[in-house]
Amino acid sequence: GQQVMQIPQYQHVQEGEDFTTYCNSSTTLSNIQWYKQRPGGHPVFLIQLVKSGEVKKQKRLTFQFGEAKKNSSLHITATQTTDVGTYFCAGPPNAGNMLTFGGGTRLMVKP
Amino acid sequence: SAVISQKPSRDICQRGTSLTIQCQVDSQVTMMFWYRQQPGQSLTLIATANQGSEATYESGFVIDKFPISRPNLTFSTLTVSNMSPEDSSIYLCSVGGVGNQPQHFGDGTRLSIL
Repeated sequence: GQQVMQIPQYQHVQEGEDFTTYCNSSTTLSNIQWYKQRPGGHPVFLIQLVKSGEVKKQKRLTFQFGEAKKNSSLHITATQTTDVGTYFCAGPPNAGNMLTFGGGTRLMVKP
Repeated sequence: SAVISQKPSRDICQRGTSLTIQCQVDSQVTMMFWYRQQPGQSLTLIATANQGSEATYESGFVIDKFPISRPNLTFSTLTVSNMSPEDSSIYLCSVGGVGNQPQHFGDGTRLSIL
């Protein structure tokens, strides 16, 4: 079955440093979605990428979808303590299938 | 996006007992899902709650352990039966998520079994 892997599992950064998490799928995805889960909270949808090679930005967050539609990345510029949480990628192998979630990357920011 | 209310928000239960978790959505939705998130882990889909028919369970999850009801397009319940400490997790309901739709989650039920 489809597998979605994320690296790293954990990342400690000093406030102001950049952060990147990588997502790799064993199969081609019809789209990739990113979610953020704050400590003690539930996953919250951040963004969806659909096109091969697509890049989207949300303030300090930059999301990329690979040309082969099998990988993606989330980059945060100049992290802040409010960025703390676990970031999950998720995607279906094709439209109509259930989402498969990656293992998540837990980001910790030292003030 | 839909507003999803889940209750209870947390509970501590004795082993061998059962707990029913409720999920209410403020609008009619076709697809409702139940997930489990074990401590420090990712989300694992338990089942899809189908309105008017039996739920569709993922590999490793069975109806006897996790019976699900979906009486209408705005409500679903998940029961965790005959609980053991291994069932200590966060249980989340969600809507959306098929094809290009993002998923929206309830606040979750934090369950501890003693």
